[in-house]
Amino acid sequence: DAGVTQSPTHLIKTRGQHVTLRCSPISGHKSVSWYQQVLGQGPQFIFQYYEKEERGRGNFPDRFSARQFPNYSSELNVNALLLGDSALYLCASSSLRTGGFGYTFGSGTRLTVV
Amino acid sequence: TQLLEQSPQFLSIQEGENLTVYCNSSSVFSSLQWYRQEPGEGPVLLVTVVTGGEVKKLKRLTFQFGDARKDSSLHITAAQPGDTGLYLCAGGGNSGGYQKVTFGTGTKLQVIP
Repeated sequence: DAGVTQSPTHLIKTRGQHVTLRCSPISGHKSVSWYQQVLGQGPQFIFQYYEKEERGRGNFPDRFSARQFPNYSSELNVNALLLGDSALYLCASSSLRTGGFGYTFGSGTRLTVV
Repeated sequence: TQLLEQSPQFLSIQEGENLTVYCNSSSVFSSLQWYRQEPGEGPVLLVTVVTGGEVKKLKRLTFQFGDARKDSSLHITAAQPGDTGLYLCAGGGNSGGYQKVTFGTGTKLQVIP
C-alpha cells in the first residue's frame, strides 16, 4: 500500500505569492492533519480535517487555509507568503477520529520563501 | 495550551553508550507517542503508550509513560550510528471529540562511530 504522499517535494516562492500544497492520505484513512516544522524543532499543528470538515485549527494566521476532498486528499493553501513561512510542511493521516495510535506522516514539502 | 518539553535538546555520544531522553509536560495526555525523524523525511512512529506507568521495549529502545501520564522517557541501550536522528515525543488527547496531537520540542541525537 502507498503511504502518505505529498507534492511537491520542494518549492521556492517569492514573498507575497500564494502556494498550494497537496496530500494524499493512506487508503482508508479519513483524517488528515497539517503541520509546519521549522528546522530542528518539533512540528507545529496547523489544521486537522476529518470527513471533509475542519476539526481543529492551530495558532496560525488566516493566510493559512485548507480543505479536504471527497476522496480524503487535502490541500493546504498559504496566501501572502512571508519569509517566516519557510519550513517543512508535513501531512499526517490516521484512521481513527480520536487517534491515540499515532500518525503516519508523508515526507513533507520543503517550502522556501525568498 | 499544552506544551511538551524535551531534554536534552542536543546529544552527541559515542557508539555503544547508553542514553535517556525525557519528555515532560504539566498536562495530562491520553496517549504518548515517540517518533524518529531523519533529515528530509517525515517523522516515523516508533511506539505509542496509553497507560500510566506503561513500559514498552523495541529492541534496544525502552519507552516509559509516567504514572500521571504527564511525562515519558526513551532509553537507548548501546547506541548505534543508525540511531542518529531527531527524536520527537507527541502527546495525544481529545479536543471536541477529535484527535489532537501536540509535539515536543525535539531531541537531536548524533551517534559517532
